[in-house]
Amino acid sequence: DAKTTQPPSMDCAEGRAANLPCNHSTISGNEYVYWYRQIHSQGPQYIIHGLKNNETNEMASLIITEDRKSSTLILPHATLRDTAVYYCIVRVEDNYGQNFVFGPGTRLSVLP
Amino acid sequence: DTAVSQTPKYLVTQMGNDKSIKCEQNLGHDTMYWYKQDSKKFLKIMFSYNNKELIINETVPNRFSPKSPDKAHLNLHINSLELGDSAVYFCASSQDLGRAARSFFGPGTRLTVL
Repeated sequence: DAKTTQPPSMDCAEGRAANLPCNHSTISGNEYVYWYRQIHSQGPQYIIHGLKNNETNEMASLIITEDRKSSTLILPHATLRDTAVYYCIVRVEDNYGQNFVFGPGTRLSVLP
Repeated sequence: DTAVSQTPKYLVTQMGNDKSIKCEQNLGHDTMYWYKQDSKKFLKIMFSYNNKELIINETVPNRFSPKSPDKAHLNLHINSLELGDSAVYFCASSQDLGRAARSFFGPGTRLTVL
């Protein structure tokens, strides 16, 4: 799996958009960009994923650059409950189950 | 409603004991998994079950035995616990085998073997 780099921490005001960047310059053609988050003492939570097109779901939007070397996760209206560590990983879409290897991630603090 | 639940959340036990961790999902998913979090950032797949059938059994000691009484439950029984079994164990479920990366995870069970 390709490596990713993310800023270690970010702050965001409640109600504002949180934009979390991720660099994945060595991504392969068949690797997807996945975003997860982990709230303290809970299990990882899948947020969104994409291959090359921008994606949106009820939780977030994912913007992937045309060269696929970087992406941005957007939480459009951050709430206090979005405070968590956010992980960007790149991996193939798998069958059956694979290991999850998370980097340090970005610790997002949503401030009142 | 909790989507994937695990019990207990904490488990402290002596070496050599036998213990079980229970997992239930109310999402109607076909596939369930057990992961071991060896370090803060590495979740190692242990088992995958699809419709109550074992699909993956990674190189896990046979002291670990999963049991799936029905599609919504996947329990993990561990015999003769060893110090190295201390870890956080996560149960997860996904809609089907092809969407493992989009799994819903339980809160984890922190196992401490003394």
